[in-house]
Amino acid sequence: SFVLTQPPSVSVAPGKTARITCGGNNIGSKSVHWYQQKPGQAPVLVIYSNSDRPSGIPERFSGSNSGNTATLTIIRVEAGDEADYYCHVWDRSSDHVIFGGGTKLTVL
Amino acid sequence: QVQLVQSGAEVKKPGSSVKVSCKASGGTFSNYGVSWVRQAPGQGLEWMGGIIPFFGTPHYAQNFQARVRITTDESTTTAYMDLYNLRSEDTAVYYCARLHILATIPVWFDPWGQGTLVTVSS
Repeated sequence: SFVLTQPPSVSVAPGKTARITCGGNNIGSKSVHWYQQKPGQAPVLVIYSNSDRPSGIPERFSGSNSGNTATLTIIRVEAGDEADYYCHVWDRSSDHVIFGGGTKLTVL
Repeated sequence: QVQLVQSGAEVKKPGSSVKVSCKASGGTFSNYGVSWVRQAPGQGLEWMGGIIPFFGTPHYAQNFQARVRITTDESTTTAYMDLYNLRSEDTAVYYCARLHILATIPVWFDPWGQGTLVTVSS
C-alpha cells in the first residue's frame, strides 16, 4: 500500500522558515492535505489540495507538491506553531486514507 | 459553521465493545463523508474507516475490517463507531472527522471532533 514518509522532527528558530516534507512514490500526482495537532487537541486542517489554505489559517502557511515530495512551509515561525504536523492523501489503488507518520516541529 | 461533538471517555474490559458517537451541530454529513481516526498514546494518526456516500456501504481499513462498524443517523446528524473485541492495544483517542468529497474523490478532513479517550484495561 501507499506509504507517506515524514521526518520525525524539525527544529527552527523563531522568525525563520520551517519546511516539513512528506515523501511518497509519485505523490505529485495526488492531492495532499496537512494537519496541525497541538498537545491534547484534535488535528486542525492547515493546507488542503496541496496548497490551499482554509479560512483562519495564517498566510505564513503554504504548501507545494511535485514529484515524490510534498512540502509544508511555515515562514516567520512563531512559538505558537510548535506542534505535530501530519500529511494525508487518498490512495485510489487501495481506496484507503493514508497518513504520514507525523513531524514534531520544535521552535527553539 | 459545523461542529462535531463526541461522546465522553470510556473505560472498557478486554473482550468487550465500545460505541462512540459524533454529533454534527450546525450542519450535516449529507454530501460529505464521515471517518474515524484513532491515535494511540504518543503515536500518530491511524484511519479506521468511514462512510463515503458514493461507495454505498461503509469502507474500513484492513486492520479494523473484522472489528469495527461505522454508521450514521441522518435524522439526528450523528455518526457512530462500534469497536468490538477490545484489547489493551485499542487504548487510544478516537476522533471523528467530516470528509470532504471532490468529484467523487475523498479529499480533506474538516472539521474534527474533540476526541474520545477509550481505555481498555482489566
